Amino acid sequence: KNEVEQSPQNLTAQEGEFITINCSYSVGISALHWLQQHPGGGIVSLFMLSSGKKKHGRLIATINIQEKHSSPHITASHPRDSAVYICAVSLGGTYKYIFGTGTRLKVLA
Amino acid sequence: NAGVTQTPKFQVLKTGQSMTLQCAQDMNHEYMSWYRQDPGMGLRLIHYSVGAGITDQGEVPNGYNVSRSTTEDFPLRLLSAAPSQTSVYFCASSYLGGTPYNSPLHFGNGTRLTVT
Repeated sequence: KNEVEQSPQNLTAQEGEFITINCSYSVGISALHWLQQHPGGGIVSLFMLSSGKKKHGRLIATINIQEKHSSPHITASHPRDSAVYICAVSLGGTYKYIFGTGTRLKVLA
Repeated sequence: NAGVTQTPKFQVLKTGQSMTLQCAQDMNHEYMSWYRQDPGMGLRLIHYSVGAGITDQGEVPNGYNVSRSTTEDFPLRLLSAAPSQTSVYFCASSYLGGTPYNSPLHFGNGTRLTVT
């Protein structure tokens, strides 16, 4: 079992749809990071969560520390949201990160 | 600001050859790290550093060496390339001040390495 699991692996949506992706982890963490990998391969950090809610444009994410889960959602999806969304956790007490395999999102016009 | 700069963008090596992947950042970040990204797998940590002269192993360190002589540079050396090292390599850095481990990672654009 991977220590960081994401679902779904692939997601296709129509423009304007509300989208939810999921990340679960099984280790102690100091923070959870959401990253975006563009079709060209570059990786950008969207935000980090150790509690509560964060927002990046139309992407809003919360973290449930007790359930070890984060489910960001995108409101009014747009083709420019098409990317791979990667969940990463920074392991508590270390300088190490563990990454999920990503959710590949394609938004059709 | 250039951010995190990786060179080269593409490289083809023959089995047994050695090479160095370069990574430089101009943000005065203490933390620098190397990852490899393989199909169907998440990014995996190879080595990391929390400051000049300090390095440590990550999840998949075998076959790779690193050094950190300056804050800006963190090169990754492949000692004797093997086909299993065919991958996309990313360098990332972050600030360690304030709350440790909770600063965003800044990634380079990656190096696509093929070993034949």
